Amino acid sequence: KNEVEQSPQNLTAQEGEFITINCSYSVGISALHWLQQHPGGGIVSLFMLSSGKKKHGRLIATINIQEKHSSLHITASHPRDSAVYICAVTFNNNDMRFGAGTRLTVKP
Amino acid sequence: DAGVTQSPTHLIKTRGQQVTLRCSPKSGHDTVSWYQQALGQGPQFIFQYYEEEERQRGNFPDRFSGHQFPNYSSELNVNALLLGDSALYLCASSFGLVAYEQYFGPGTRLTVT
Repeated sequence: KNEVEQSPQNLTAQEGEFITINCSYSVGISALHWLQQHPGGGIVSLFMLSSGKKKHGRLIATINIQEKHSSLHITASHPRDSAVYICAVTFNNNDMRFGAGTRLTVKP
Repeated sequence: DAGVTQSPTHLIKTRGQQVTLRCSPKSGHDTVSWYQQALGQGPQFIFQYYEEEERQRGNFPDRFSGHQFPNYSSELNVNALLLGDSALYLCASSFGLVAYEQYFGPGTRLTVT
């Protein structure tokens, strides 16, 4: 069983919809990361969280340490948001483990 | 300020050959981590270098080795290439060994035929 589970695996939305991607992890972590990967491979770090909530533009990330769960929300989605979104966790030894990713397609 | 850079961008090798991939960290960063991402999967941690030493290692065989230079740049070497080594190899840099934000390079796509 993967230490980091994401859902859904694939997500198709219409432009303007509110999107939620979920991430669950199985053991204690020191930080959780949300990453965005566009076709071709380049990865951009969106958020790093250890508690609470962070917001950047139309993106919001939340984490519940007790429930070992995080969500990434995209408000007013746009076709340019189409990408693979990856949840990753860092353990105390700084080892980083990744989820399999959620492939998001936003249609105009 | 240049971000993380990797070279080459693409590489094609034959089974049994050896390959060296290179990574230059973001300015001010001293820690480099390497990841392997197979098609359709999330990245897998290979190892991490700090102060020119391998500090952490994932579940990869000894065919995968690395090096960090005094200027913090790093190399990933893979010997005796297998078809299954075909993947995108990502380098990420950060400052120190604590869980600071990692910055990823564009990756090197390795194809083994």
